[in-house]
Amino acid sequence: AQKITQTQPGMFVQEKEAVTLDCTYDTSDQSYGLFWYKQPSSGEMIFLIYQGSYDEQNATEGRYSLNFQKARKSANLVISASQLGDSAMYFCAMRATNTGNQFYFGTGTSLTVIP
Amino acid sequence: DAGVIQSPRHEVTEMGQEVTLRCKPISGHDYLFWYRQTMMRGLELLIYFNNNVPIDDSGMPEDRFSAKMPNASFSTLKIQPSEPRDSAVYFCASNRLASTDTQYFGPGTRLTVL
Repeated sequence: AQKITQTQPGMFVQEKEAVTLDCTYDTSDQSYGLFWYKQPSSGEMIFLIYQGSYDEQNATEGRYSLNFQKARKSANLVISASQLGDSAMYFCAMRATNTGNQFYFGTGTSLTVIP
Repeated sequence: DAGVIQSPRHEVTEMGQEVTLRCKPISGHDYLFWYRQTMMRGLELLIYFNNNVPIDDSGMPEDRFSAKMPNASFSTLKIQPSEPRDSAVYFCASNRLASTDTQYFGPGTRLTVL
């Protein structure tokens, strides 16, 4: 079975500091993709970053990076130089290629950036 | 290029009424997903389609819910009759079958059943 676990319901970070949001996953598939989404208070789901299971380098997109540790089945999101606009819910998701195109989402982490 | 379009953005209805939510996926995307999001249950997959064919509807809560995709550019999610516990934000998302392709979400429909 495919499963995504986010154990931090809420996180606080000081503005300009870095923060790590945890995500662990469970799958028996060898080929899968990991995604992070941001959901601000306005409600839309915004795609942030993608990591493929065969990618040897950690993905980076601007201030976002994904700390991918395959053996530990973790895909933590690192946000550097936090900004007030980063305050939002963050969801980790996985798509396992051998189980079709279904995405599995975690329960989310609420991040608050403190000025 | 337009993103996923959902209508209406907000719907307020009374218990027992029929509700129809609409979605237009991104052109060229062959997968379409319907999700429901609540504080209590988080983001739940209701049903998804591939090339207009329902693939997995195991997340549809009960027979009051039905979804159709008559063509590649349109899908509906219908609730009949609606109940207060159906109040939630309903998202539609679409993507292509490419390993690196993310899902693209619509803005959501906020449904309130009184």
